[in-house]
Amino acid sequence: AQKVTQAQTEISVVEKEDVTLDCVYETRDTTYYLFWYKQPPSGELVFLIRRNSFDEQNEISGRYSWNFQKSTSSFNFTITASQVVDSAVYFCALSGHTQGGSEKLVFGKGTKLTVNP
Amino acid sequence: ETGVTQTPRHLVMGMTNKKSLKCEQHLGHNAMYWYKQSAKKPLELMFVYNFKEQTENNSVPSRFSPECPNSSHLFLHLHTLQPEDSALYLCASSQNLAGGWGERETQYFGPGTRLLVL
Repeated sequence: AQKVTQAQTEISVVEKEDVTLDCVYETRDTTYYLFWYKQPPSGELVFLIRRNSFDEQNEISGRYSWNFQKSTSSFNFTITASQVVDSAVYFCALSGHTQGGSEKLVFGKGTKLTVNP
Repeated sequence: ETGVTQTPRHLVMGMTNKKSLKCEQHLGHNAMYWYKQSAKKPLELMFVYNFKEQTENNSVPSRFSPECPNSSHLFLHLHTLQPEDSALYLCASSQNLAGGWGERETQYFGPGTRLLVL
């Protein structure tokens, strides 16, 4: 069975600090996909990134960067020079399958990030 | 404007009421999902529809009844709910290819309906 662990329940930083959100996953699939979503107070889950298990290159998008390490089953997310607008709950997710064979996302419990001015 | 819309955004209902949640996706996807998000619990998949056919019911109580009249619309009919059903209900859609997860299959979510059962 697939599992995603986000050990950090809540993180609080001051604006302009860098912050890393941890994600560790478990799967027996040889091919899988990892995702990060952002959930602001409005509730909508906003897709941030998708990573194929065969592609271990780190990715940078503006102030966001992702570090995928297959050896440690981790897919960590770093926000550089954090801003108040980054305050949200961030979810890491793993591609999986239901018992009926449908595709599903397996989510971690989320990390609530608060960026204070 | 989001590609997946949900109405209503907020709903308060009594245990004897019947209500429906609506989801519409404008992304041309062929699969739609209902998820439940309760406080301090991971998001739970409830139902999956592929090409309008229900392909998954994740042991959801019968007081939740989904309906998918076409690939763009998804409903969740609610009746005789319990207070523990209070949660954020999220709809998602994706473009699924046959054979499982593929390079284009990312799920996009709506803003959710925050439900309170009294």
